[in-house]
Amino acid sequence: GAGVSQSPRYKVAKRGQDVALRCDPISGHVSLFWYQQALGQGPEFLTYFQNEAQLDKSGLPSDRFFAERPEGSVSTLKIQRTQQEDSAVYLCASSPSQGNTIYFGEGSWLTVV
Amino acid sequence: QKEVEQDPGPLSVPEGAIVSLNCTYSNSAFQYFMWYRQYSRKGPELLMYTYSSGNKEDGRFTAQVDKSSKYISLFIRDSQPSDSATYLCAPGYSSASKIIFGSGTRLSIRP
Repeated sequence: GAGVSQSPRYKVAKRGQDVALRCDPISGHVSLFWYQQALGQGPEFLTYFQNEAQLDKSGLPSDRFFAERPEGSVSTLKIQRTQQEDSAVYLCASSPSQGNTIYFGEGSWLTVV
Repeated sequence: QKEVEQDPGPLSVPEGAIVSLNCTYSNSAFQYFMWYRQYSRKGPELLMYTYSSGNKEDGRFTAQVDKSSKYISLFIRDSQPSDSATYLCAPGYSSASKIIFGSGTRLSIRP
């Protein structure tokens, strides 16, 4: 596809369940970002990859959150032992190696019940 | 203090009005300044970006950056109902690095 693709679009998880959210960036994009957006708030940075290297994970809220991009393309954000406060939209974005345009996917809506 | 402060609104104006959206930021290291538009249940889409201080115009939209006062503005002329969305200011440190978002201003244009 032409844009950033995320799956699942919607996920309901029981508290304590593990979830995995997938991101397919735009083909050839080197940089990949994960953001968390709570209702009525702006996106909050979670982590950043350049190719397969995770260069910045300063925004991950706890060690329950883990992200990987093993082959430098598709990325997975994993949340272990989900809690209610993890309910949010998780946005993935990618950008080319040069330039400052970051393109976002439509997000994965996570509800923890 | 948050790195980026933005009035959340909501802001409601009649069609055709000029809209002014503003942000302030605290980190003088920011070099790139973006405005994103986000429709309900969609991801943010880049509207405009500027590098350092100055103005940039694109159709009905004008972005202004004043680095001396750490103030970012977006002006929308001849506003249309289709402009109704949440507008997010987003400064960044360098090309293709992480960007920091404001909380977003919800804008509604009344027909």
